Amino acid sequence: TQLLEQSPQFLSIQEGENLTVYCNSSSVFSSLQWYRQEPGEGPVLLVTVVTGGEVKKLKRLTFQFGDARKDSSLHITAAQPGDTGLYLCAGPPDFDSGGYQKVTFGTGTKLQVIP
Amino acid sequence: DAMVIQNPRYQVTQFGKPVTLSCSQTLNHNVMYWYQQKSSQAPKLLFHYYDKDFNNEADTPDNFQSRRPNTSFCFLDIRSPGLGDAAMYLCATSRDRSYTYEQYFGPGTRLTVT
Repeated sequence: TQLLEQSPQFLSIQEGENLTVYCNSSSVFSSLQWYRQEPGEGPVLLVTVVTGGEVKKLKRLTFQFGDARKDSSLHITAAQPGDTGLYLCAGPPDFDSGGYQKVTFGTGTKLQVIP
Repeated sequence: DAMVIQNPRYQVTQFGKPVTLSCSQTLNHNVMYWYQQKSSQAPKLLFHYYDKDFNNEADTPDNFQSRRPNTSFCFLDIRSPGLGDAAMYLCATSRDRSYTYEQYFGPGTRLTVT
């Protein structure tokens, strides 16, 4: 069972378009991170959201954590070719057992922005 | 700049020939991770160290071993690489096991098995 499902799996858009990537789960997460991975490189941390309903902005990227901390979204305004990459959400499930919880990675969204 | 460094960036090995990948970090983080990633899939955790405490994932093959001689360095040993082990290997660190779980990745080592 995949705890974090991302949609869409693939997205190819023209430069200047807007897009939203979703990260959904049936489990509650303590926090969620979003990473971007360019081809041939390691993932780079973009943002962490911790509080339900939290919204964070990073230039043209807007991240939102769902009120129930079970889902998150990433919205990109006026996409540019430099936004091309694999977007991954990740986080530790908030199990009652406490202690260390292994980070779960989402299924990934591969974005291509065409000039 | 504080960072995670992986060497080499590209490694070619022969089927069955042992290979070692290395990772170093200047972030002084307690936790180090090794991931395997295949063709734009999500990274798959192989194991992690919390300080010197080694934690192996249940489905990590015995063919994969790791060493962390000190805080800064961590090694991934593949004892007998098979064709299915060809992948990107990512090293990552985090400050602690409970600090929002943010991870900082190295650039990866692309392993080819011939």
